[in-house]
Amino acid sequence: DIQMTQSPSSLSASVGDRVTVTCRASQSISGYLNWYQQKPGNAPKLLIYAVSTLQSGVPSRFSGSGSGTDFTLTISSLQPEDFATYFCQQSYKTPLTFGGGTKVEIE
Amino acid sequence: QVQLAESGGGLVKPGGSLRLSCAASGFTFSDYYMNWIRQSPGKGLEWLSYINPSSAYTNYADSVEGRFTVSRDNAKKSLYLQMNSLRAEDTAIYYCARLVHDSGTYVLDYWGQGALVTVSS
Repeated sequence: DIQMTQSPSSLSASVGDRVTVTCRASQSISGYLNWYQQKPGNAPKLLIYAVSTLQSGVPSRFSGSGSGTDFTLTISSLQPEDFATYFCQQSYKTPLTFGGGTKVEIE
Repeated sequence: QVQLAESGGGLVKPGGSLRLSCAASGFTFSDYYMNWIRQSPGKGLEWLSYINPSSAYTNYADSVEGRFTVSRDNAKKSLYLQMNSLRAEDTAIYYCARLVHDSGTYVLDYWGQGALVTVSS
C-alpha cells in the first residue's frame, strides 16, 4: 500500500497567516493527489484535486503544488472558516490511502 | 444538488452483522463508481471498497476482504455495505462517497454525512 505522511499533524495560526501543509507519498504517485477539508461533526469535503485544481466554490486563497512524492497545500491568508483538519489522499492505485491529517487551530 | 445519505448504523456485538445503506439523489447514480470509507480516531480515514456502475467490479481493502460486501441497486439509487463478523476495531463512522475521474485523477467528490457503527459487547 502507498503510505501518505502529512506534516505537521497540527499547527496554530492566526487569521491572515500563510499556512503550509505538506504531504509525502511512500512512492511516486504522479499527479494523483487530492486534498480534503473536514470540520468537526462533518464529512470530509473535496478542496483540491489533481494536485492543484480547485474544486468548484473553493476560495482562491487555497492552492496546491507538487509532483512525484512531495506535495503542498497552501492557504495564502487564513480565514476564520479555514480552521479545520486537512487530509491528503492518493488515487494512484488501490487501496486509496489518506494522510493522517493536519489540524489547523486558532493561535 | 448531489446528496448522499447513509443509514443503518448502530450498536452491534462482536461477531455480529450490520447492513449500511446509502441513498443517492441529485445525479445519475447508475453512471458512477461508488465507495465506502470509514473514519475512526485510531486509524484515521480508511478506504474500504468500491463498486463500478454495473456492479461487475468490486474492490476491497485487505482489512475487510471476506467480511464486508458492497452492492448497489441502481433502480433504487442506493449503495449498500453488508458487514459480517464485526470486530471492535470496525468501530467507526462509515461514509459513502462518489468517485469521479477528472483532470487525470480519481476523486471522491461528494460524501455522505456518515453513519456511526459501534462494535461492543
